Parts: sequence; C-alpha cells; structure tokens
Amino acid sequence: GIQVEQSPPDLILQEGANSTLRCNFSDSVNNLQWFHQNPWGQLINLFYIPSGTKQNGRLSATTVATERYSLLYISSSQTTDSGVYFCAVGPLEGGSYIPTFGRGTSLIVHP
Amino acid sequence: SAVISQKPSRDICQRGTSLTIQCQVDSQVTMMFWYRQQPGQSLTLIATANQGSEATYESGFVIDKFPISRPNLTFSTLTVSNMSPEDSSIYLCSVAGTGAGELFFGEGSRLTVL
Repeated sequence: GIQVEQSPPDLILQEGANSTLRCNFSDSVNNLQWFHQNPWGQLINLFYIPSGTKQNGRLSATTVATERYSLLYISSSQTTDSGVYFCAVGPLEGGSYIPTFGRGTSLIVHP
Repeated sequence: SAVISQKPSRDICQRGTSLTIQCQVDSQVTMMFWYRQQPGQSLTLIATANQGSEATYESGFVIDKFPISRPNLTFSTLTVSNMSPEDSSIYLCSVAGTGAGELFFGEGSRLTVL
C-alpha cells in the first residue's frame, strides 16, 4: 500500500515563530488532507488539497502531486496551534479512496 | 461538511466487558469508517461500515472482536468486545464527503480498559 512519511516528527516553537511541516507519499493520489488533532483528541479538518495551494488565515498548504509531497505552513504560531498534525492521502488508482494516515508531527508552541 | 456525533465521548471499562460506540451523522452518507488511535500513535482503519451488508474489515481486525452495525445511511455502531487493556484507545467514526472523498471525523470516543 501507499506509504506516507511526515517530518519532522516533533517540533517545539516559541509563540510567533513560523514553521513548515512536510508530508511525502509514495504513490499518485487524488485525495490529500491535513488535520489538526487538538489535545482533547478531536480531529479538525485544515485543508483538503490534492493539488495546488490554499490559505486559511495563518495556515496555508501546498501540494505538488507530481513530486508526491505536501507542505503545511504555520505562520505567527500561537499556543492554540499545539497538537498533532496529520497528513492523510488516498490513491489515484484502485477501487478504494480510503486514506492512509502519516504518523503525524507533534507541535508544541510555548508562550 | 458533515456534523458527526459520537457517544460516549469517554468511558472507563473493566477487562472482559464490551462497549458499543454510536455514530450519528446529520446527513445521509454512503461510506462510514471506524478508526482506532492507540496512545501516541497514528490512526488505523478498523473497517468500512456498509449499509445493508457486512462491514469490510482491514487486516488485523475481525468481526468477532469489533462487530459493526449500519442500519441506515446516517447511523453506525462499533462494539469493542471482550476488552483488554490493549484496547485502550480513541475510537473515531468518519464519513466521506460527496465527490472525491474528503473525510470528516466525529469527536472520538476515548476508551480506557482497566
């Protein structure tokens, strides 16, 4: 099956700093999502971005499908950005589009 | 987007007992999924809940341990049977949106087995 690698696995920032999270995947996909799991365990949809660039406030994401990676940018980080960020991708071919999740990037933002 | 409600949000259970988790969606959806997230780990798909037929289980998960019901297009249940401490996890219900398959998740059910 498709392999999904996220980096870095852990990240510690001071409030106000910027960061870039990366998601590499091993095969062509037609679905890619970024999620934020808050400390209470809830998964929040950030972006559905199989290709191109999207922005939502301080967050933006870019997926280069031909090179099989996606980037999540967090600018002016806040303590509420803490949590785990997951990338989930689904294959382009085959009978299923059920996503495979990466192992996540754990982010801690200190005040 | 879909609004997904899960119950219970958390529970503490004794070894050997079973617990049923409910998932209610505010609109009809074709595909519903159940995921498990063990402590400190990523999400693992348990099964796809199919309306009107048996669930489709992923490798490593069996119906006797995780029976699933899907009586209609807005509701599903997952039962964790004969629980052991290794079953302590967050269990998440998910649905695929229309079109290409964007996923939406419920709040999760945090299960602790003593």
